[in-house]
Amino acid sequence: EIVLTQSPGTLSLSPGERATLSCRASQSVSSSYLAWYQQKPGQAPRLLIYGASSRATGIPDRFSGSGSGTDFTLTISRLEPEDFAVYYCQQYGSSPVTFGPGTKVDIK
Amino acid sequence: QVQLVQSGAEVKKPGSSVKVSCKASGGTFSSYAISWVRQAPGQGLEWMGGIIPIFGTANYAQKFQGRVTITADESTSTAYMELSSLRSEDTAVYYCARGSIRLAAAGPRVDAFDIWGQGTMVTVSS
Repeated sequence: EIVLTQSPGTLSLSPGERATLSCRASQSVSSSYLAWYQQKPGQAPRLLIYGASSRATGIPDRFSGSGSGTDFTLTISRLEPEDFAVYYCQQYGSSPVTFGPGTKVDIK
Repeated sequence: QVQLVQSGAEVKKPGSSVKVSCKASGGTFSSYAISWVRQAPGQGLEWMGGIIPIFGTANYAQKFQGRVTITADESTSTAYMELSSLRSEDTAVYYCARGSIRLAAAGPRVDAFDIWGQGTMVTVSS
């Protein structure tokens, strides 16, 4: 099973700032089958990024993903008030599908 | 616009079973995979298993093997997740999620989960 580690656990930033979230895998993620999700309190997760760097339908271009192998990054170029949430990475290249523990982005 | 609509909240006794449904509306059902993901209060996301209706095959996370059964009824575009021998640690929100299917050398695989149900709260308490 591929174990995903996310850092930092919490990121405290102000609106307008840049957020950089990290996801590290215990072994290489096949064909960059790595996704990022956003979850707000009381809501289901929402797909942001798939294939490590492709934005899902309707996702603003301030969200971008990069990386390959075992190291992946989600960048939010300029934080909007609605971006404060928890972000999870997920690998779906190997069975079982696994999720990281999440990074909470909160308002500084 | 495809939606996944789940059944309502459940309260169960320890040792009993729960069956949660997930109905797809507004699009095709069989050509996608449905996975089940749970989230305990204040915790992260945990994949339980999934099914590809067109193949009729389900696979499960090892942690839940023997306790979970995932099925799908193509005639009603509905997937089901049944969890047995419930214990307090199973208290969680249970989500269904849709993913596209890709063919791999090791068999069909599921892509990222692009559509999620609204979640079903299952509380296990005596």
